[in-house]
Amino acid sequence: QLQLQESGPGLVKPSETLSLICAVSGDSISSSNYYWGWIRQPPGTGLEWIGTVYNTGSTYYNPSLKSRLTISVDTSKNQVSLKLSSVTAADTAVYYCARHRGPSGPDSWGQGTLVTVSS
Amino acid sequence: QAVVTQEPSLTVSPGGTVTLTCGSSTGTVTSHHYPYWYQQKPGQAPRTLIYDTFNKHSWTPARFSGSLLGGKAALTLSGAQSEDEAEYYCLLSYSGAGVFGGGTKVTVL
Repeated sequence: QLQLQESGPGLVKPSETLSLICAVSGDSISSSNYYWGWIRQPPGTGLEWIGTVYNTGSTYYNPSLKSRLTISVDTSKNQVSLKLSSVTAADTAVYYCARHRGPSGPDSWGQGTLVTVSS
Repeated sequence: QAVVTQEPSLTVSPGGTVTLTCGSSTGTVTSHHYPYWYQQKPGQAPRTLIYDTFNKHSWTPARFSGSLLGGKAALTLSGAQSEDEAEYYCLLSYSGAGVFGGGTKVTVL
């Protein structure tokens, strides 16, 4: 059974880099035909698609975040990572890891992790 | 970036039918937007109900169905139950990038 577990600092200072890891179990990133990615949800608001990565390293990013965003895979650890630089309070959100059927369709979701940007 | 629109809120009677729609600022929604539909209840992660316009997961109740309707993607709930009260989001694909709609709050009353 697929499990996606997000982890990382719950508090990040403004202007710093937000870094999260998604540990995948129940599927192998290296042999999977799925994409892997991230979605976020600011408190009390809707969902925002962040981006995805394939096991080849090929990526698709939200254009509004692209300049600050890096999503990558570590197939040896079966993990997906998210790095978002120069964060502000507007980046405060619950961040979800998700397996995607294609480059843009999240299909199986992790439970999410809250990241707060504050000094 | 495209804007995806949904009704902010809808109310349905128990046992009734309601249709949620998902429109695109770029024009007609087609199967090439690979529409997805998600259900989210308070304090929970979203759950995928429909993928690629009309496909269901094993956990998707039979009362939910997806389609294309009047130039939009649509999610129809037939025979609403109290447990269906939730926020529903659609997602459309634009050249590999996903865009969520703002969500529709469905009340069963």
